[in-house]
Amino acid sequence: AQSVTQLDSQVPVFEEAPVELRCNYSSSVSVYLFWYVQYPNQGLQLLLKYLSGSTLVKGINGFEAEFNKSQTSFHLRKPSVHISDTAEYFCAVSPNQRQLTFGSGTQLTVLP
Amino acid sequence: ETGVTQSPTHLIKTRGQQVTLRCSSQSGHNTVSWYQQALGQGPQFIFQYYREEENGRGNFPPRFSGLQFPNYSSELNVNALELDDSALYLCASSSGQGAGELFFGEGSRLTVL
Repeated sequence: AQSVTQLDSQVPVFEEAPVELRCNYSSSVSVYLFWYVQYPNQGLQLLLKYLSGSTLVKGINGFEAEFNKSQTSFHLRKPSVHISDTAEYFCAVSPNQRQLTFGSGTQLTVLP
Repeated sequence: ETGVTQSPTHLIKTRGQQVTLRCSSQSGHNTVSWYQQALGQGPQFIFQYYREEENGRGNFPPRFSGLQFPNYSSELNVNALELDDSALYLCASSSGQGAGELFFGEGSRLTVL
């Protein structure tokens, strides 16, 4: 079985500041890793994914994440956030690309 | 290109009733997954259908059942509703058996009274 821990339920940050959203996972097998974003009253949208290869993954909207196998982490970063980045962010893992296990989410609020 | 659409968007039921939620997959996608998202929580995998067959199931009781039709649209049925079934139900479609790139609908919000 897999589990995902998102260490911060809420992250407030000022516009144009950098941000890091933390994600740790637990699994007895190799997994694929994902970050999704959910804007109010919308479905989830894929930000980025790690399947194999380079541990630094670049996604949409200027986000990137780094897979650290020894620390079982997949933290999401953005060097400069915008008001429009305000949303709920979910980290997810999957052993087989058939079903995803999601964390409980991090609400990112960008302040003017 | 039409995205994933779900209906109804909101509904209210009482305990013990049955509900059917519907999902039209994105054009060209043959796989549909259903997730339950309780308030303040991340989505939880219910099951996945690939070419009309169940292709994986999460930790949900048998009163949660589904169907996929030849046009790849799908239904989620929940019998004997309980208060804890109140949640946002998300449908996601993808191409092939992999779940790597899921395209989500906006969900159906179910309230059980």
